[in-house]
Amino acid sequence: DSGVTQTPKHLITATGQRVTLRCSPRSGDLSVYWYQQSLDQGLQFLIQYYNGEERAKGNILERFSAQQFPDLHSELNLSSLELGDSALYFCASSVGTSRTGELFFGEGSRLTVL
Amino acid sequence: QKEVEQDPGPLSVPEGAIVSLNCTYSNSAFQYFMWYRQYSRKGPELLMYTYSSGNKEDGRFTAQVDKSSKYISLFIRDSHPCDSATYLCATRVASGGGADGLTFGKGTHLIIQP
Repeated sequence: DSGVTQTPKHLITATGQRVTLRCSPRSGDLSVYWYQQSLDQGLQFLIQYYNGEERAKGNILERFSAQQFPDLHSELNLSSLELGDSALYFCASSVGTSRTGELFFGEGSRLTVL
Repeated sequence: QKEVEQDPGPLSVPEGAIVSLNCTYSNSAFQYFMWYRQYSRKGPELLMYTYSSGNKEDGRFTAQVDKSSKYISLFIRDSHPCDSATYLCATRVASGGGADGLTFGKGTHLIIQP
């Protein structure tokens, strides 16, 4: 158990809808990262927050947004969903900004868009 | 060309064999190199981390980085069926604040046959 909690584990929704994925980092970790994993693209970095502030952006679509709250939990909002958004979404956390690359991943939220 | 290339496999070897997993990368700015292991339906977990070129050993695992050829390797000695998983290589640049996500390969699916 990595200590990172993600909810929901599974989500099935329709095209055009909006969903919110939630992540609680490990106790004491200030950084939260969101990744998308699909069969064809692999694990893609979306966005990073550090202590409530956005620190880095990767391949995140404009239809997606995220935030980190004062209690350090984070939410990833996906809107105007398309079939291609079906994927596993992982949250990871680290104490700081992870110079060594040691990220602790949750078990993921599997999103299916029909 | 993707920044990190990795053969997806599957790679199937008999129990006890030495396993060699490899990645190539294109960005010469990458300085940190990691190997993550991902079991089915789980999030990735960090196995090995190396900085710049060289070897690093941890039990049955050896990570090797050759920056001149932009080649990353992971060797597993005395392989066990429990080593069956997907192995992802990951890299990142040495930015000052570490405020960037990792770039992952797509992963190699490894099967250790009992």
